[in-house]
Amino acid sequence: EDKVVQSPLSLVVHEGDTVTLNCSYEVTNFRSLLWYKQEKKAPTFLFMLTSSGIEKKSGRLSSILDKKELSSILNITATQTGDSAIYLCAVNYGGSQGNLIFGKGTKLSVKP
Amino acid sequence: GAVVSQHPSWVICKSGTSVKIECRSLDFQATTMFWYRQFPKQSLMLMATSNEGSKATYEQGVEKDKFLINHASLTLSTLTVTSAHPEDSSFYICSAPTAGGRAETQYFGPGTRLLVL
Repeated sequence: EDKVVQSPLSLVVHEGDTVTLNCSYEVTNFRSLLWYKQEKKAPTFLFMLTSSGIEKKSGRLSSILDKKELSSILNITATQTGDSAIYLCAVNYGGSQGNLIFGKGTKLSVKP
Repeated sequence: GAVVSQHPSWVICKSGTSVKIECRSLDFQATTMFWYRQFPKQSLMLMATSNEGSKATYEQGVEKDKFLINHASLTLSTLTVTSAHPEDSSFYICSAPTAGGRAETQYFGPGTRLLVL
């Protein structure tokens, strides 16, 4: 059965801390891995990873995929209260380019 | 950037009634739209793929007669929860891909929270 597992499920840090969120997957016909940020409503797209070992960066956020380990990490440095959200990992798989299977998410709370 | 809207954002209904949720792509055409359901503390689960001009494709375990999907135009897909029951209470989110249907171009609507009493 295809699955995506994220850890930890919940994390509380203070402003300025660095956090690492984990995502592991077991899917057939892997196409890509995506990270989203969800704040109360719709997820917003952060990164898409298809190649192993190539880091994608956007400001204080970065992510990398390890196809050998079937996993990915999302790093956030110098966290701010505005980073508080649920971070979702999803894997695009199978025959359709739109098929996504999501993990349960990591709820990040950044305290002032 | 691309925008996807949903209506209504909140709905409370009595058990046994039907509820229609609309998903619109506001500034692009979408031949395909996806419907997800998210229970509290659970992940987004793909329910079905809505295809303009043809029947929707449902994921295993999703009852097509209960969750009616109609993709009436290139900018509108509707999900109707028929004879809703309390266990159908959930957060329903639609998404639509833009360029070439690629996963990374999938834009999500703001979601519809359904509460069935």
